[in-house]
Amino acid sequence: AQKITQTQPGMFVQEKEAVTLDCTYDTSDPSYGLFWYKQPSSGEMIFLIYQGSYDQQNATEGRYSLNFQKARKSANLVISASQLGDSAMYFCAMRMFSGGYNKLIFGAGTRLAVHP
Amino acid sequence: DVKVTQSSRYLVKRTGEKVFLECVQDMDHENMFWYRQDPGLGLRLIYFSYDVKMKEKGDIPEGYSVSREKKERFSLILESASTNQTSMYLCASSLLQTNQPQHFGDGTRLSIL
Repeated sequence: AQKITQTQPGMFVQEKEAVTLDCTYDTSDPSYGLFWYKQPSSGEMIFLIYQGSYDQQNATEGRYSLNFQKARKSANLVISASQLGDSAMYFCAMRMFSGGYNKLIFGAGTRLAVHP
Repeated sequence: DVKVTQSSRYLVKRTGEKVFLECVQDMDHENMFWYRQDPGLGLRLIYFSYDVKMKEKGDIPEGYSVSREKKERFSLILESASTNQTSMYLCASSLLQTNQPQHFGDGTRLSIL
C-alpha cells in the first residue's frame, strides 16, 4: 500500500540552527512526486518544495532543501538557519496515481518549535 | 498569486443540519479538492474534481457530497451533519500537470453540536 510516514510528532530547534524533518514513503510506482507544506497556527497550508522521482538533483528553495534518498525511500526536509517564524506544522505529501487519477496522500505531520 | 477562498473560517452547526462549505479559486485551475484535517491523521481526501460537473470520491466520502457547477467553485455538502464531522476542512486547487502543487484555502473549522 502507498503511504507516507512522518515519525517525529514534534521537534525543537534553536534559532539560527539547521533542522531536519523526516519523511519516508512507500510506493511501487516508478513515477511519483513528493511535496512539503508548512501550516502555521493560522491554518493555511503553504507549499514549500517539490521533488519528482526522476529528478537527478535534490530540490532547493531558499532556506529549504529536500534530502531525497530514493533507495531508502526518504525525502527529508532540511531547514537551514531556523527563524522564529518557522514554528509551524510541517506535512510531507506524495503524489500517487490511483483509480485513474493523481492524488496526494499526506503524512501525519511534524510540529516544529523554534526557540530564541 | 493563486487565491483560494473558503467562505467561512469558523462555523457552528447542529446535528442533522445540511451544511454547505464553499470554495472559490481565481487561477483557472482544472483540479479542486476537499480535505478534512484531524490531529494525528494529517489531511484526508474527501472528494475531488478534475472538471466542471465532474467529481470523484476520495478516501473518506461517506456522509459528504460535492458540487462543481462552475470551474472556479467547488462546494462540499454535509447532507445531515453529525458530531463526528467536527473537523478542519481544507479546500485546494491545482493545475493538471502532476508536478504542480496544490494551493490551499485558509480552512474552515466546523463544529457540529
